[in-house]
Amino acid sequence: DTGVSQNPRHKITKRGQNVTFRCDPISEHNRLYWYRQTLGQGPEFLTYFQNEAQLEKSRLLSDRFSAERPKGSFSTLEIQRTEQGDSAMYLCASSLGLTIDITDTQYFGPGTRLTVL
Amino acid sequence: GENVEQHPSTLSVQEGDSAVIKCTYSDSASNYFPWYKQELGKGPQLIIDIRSNVGEKKDQRIAVTLNKTAKHFSLHITETQPEDSAVYFCAASIRDAGGTSYGKLTFGQGTILTVHP
Repeated sequence: DTGVSQNPRHKITKRGQNVTFRCDPISEHNRLYWYRQTLGQGPEFLTYFQNEAQLEKSRLLSDRFSAERPKGSFSTLEIQRTEQGDSAMYLCASSLGLTIDITDTQYFGPGTRLTVL
Repeated sequence: GENVEQHPSTLSVQEGDSAVIKCTYSDSASNYFPWYKQELGKGPQLIIDIRSNVGEKKDQRIAVTLNKTAKHFSLHITETQPEDSAVYFCAASIRDAGGTSYGKLTFGQGTILTVHP
């Protein structure tokens, strides 16, 4: 399967703990996105990368959230000092991203469901 | 920022009937409009997309229409089948904070489609 993969698929943690999620995009996709989805809502944009450069971060991404894509391949999303309000599905998507001024097709992974107790 | 409204929130049809889901967007500069299908516990799957230079696009039983003047676009599913039952999301591309890149999507709230056999 050459689609977007995310690990872990499920994560249960206690409030105050740190968690890290990983996303492996489709091979040769230059652009990688992180979204958050709460129950009954559409995905909300968090941040995205063009290769290793983080181009934009949403205001939803508080100081407790950090994302990296060090070599322009896989990405990690870390949440520090988790809160119950962080409970959600965290989705990763990737796209070819050959030209910066065109929105190209985004392919989503299966998501990581985070539950903060 | 961009705002995408989606209606209806739930839609129930009989197998073989047609289903129509409508979305409106606020940013006249949006130029890319995908539709995603999401099944329980899975990430969104692209089913069809349309760009602003096209008014209609069709792929077998699925079609999308775009009215740029009115800033709305619609998903049409004909000859519905029980396996079409899922949550459907529309989305629109929006500019990043620099106003030059269209890297991210704003999603509607979703429509729960139920197709009864």
